[in-house]
Amino acid sequence: DIQMTQSPSTLSASVGDRVTITCRASQSISSWLAWYQQKPGKAPKLLIYKASSLESGVPSRFSGSGSGTEFTLTISSLQPDDFATYYCQQYNSYPAFGQGTKVEIK
Amino acid sequence: QVQLQESGPGLVKPSETLSLTCTVSGYSISSGYYWGWIRQPPGKGLEWIGSIYHSGSTYYNPSLKSRVTISVDTSKNQFSLKLSSVTAADTAVYYCARACDSRAIDAFDIWGQGTMVTVSS
Repeated sequence: DIQMTQSPSTLSASVGDRVTITCRASQSISSWLAWYQQKPGKAPKLLIYKASSLESGVPSRFSGSGSGTEFTLTISSLQPDDFATYYCQQYNSYPAFGQGTKVEIK
Repeated sequence: QVQLQESGPGLVKPSETLSLTCTVSGYSISSGYYWGWIRQPPGKGLEWIGSIYHSGSTYYNPSLKSRVTISVDTSKNQFSLKLSSVTAADTAVYYCARACDSRAIDAFDIWGQGTMVTVSS
């Protein structure tokens, strides 16, 4: 099984901050990685697929990078609507998600 | 636009079988894509359960495979989940979702709103 590890688990930030979340895979997954945003009581929303491709309709302040085993999600300028929990998901083999990173207001 | 809606009992007794259905609107399941089930225990992360193609081809999470059956009914534009021998550990919000591309193993771009299932006597 491929394990996905996100860091940090919680991140405190202010509006306008640049935010980076890291996701590490226990073995190479090429670029088969997605990022989701989830708000309380809501379904996850796809932000990024294939490590760096922006899903249609997602603001350009979100970007993804990486390949192999290390990946990052960056929010260039944090907006009030961005306070949420973020999950990575690998789909090189059977889908597996990271444990989540909660972005909270500082 | 494409929409997914989960339905089924919100309460299931231990050792019984959990059954949920996902109804797809705005797109014909027969036209393509894989369709999946994902769950999220209260306060915890996401777990992929399995996925199905309109042909009936299925892929299951190895950790749940012995208890899971996913089926499709193209005439009703629905796909379903059955999870047998449930315990309290199966208490979760269950989501149905569409895979992004026509790959069996994929990310998910369209999700249902989710339905909470509690396992309790």
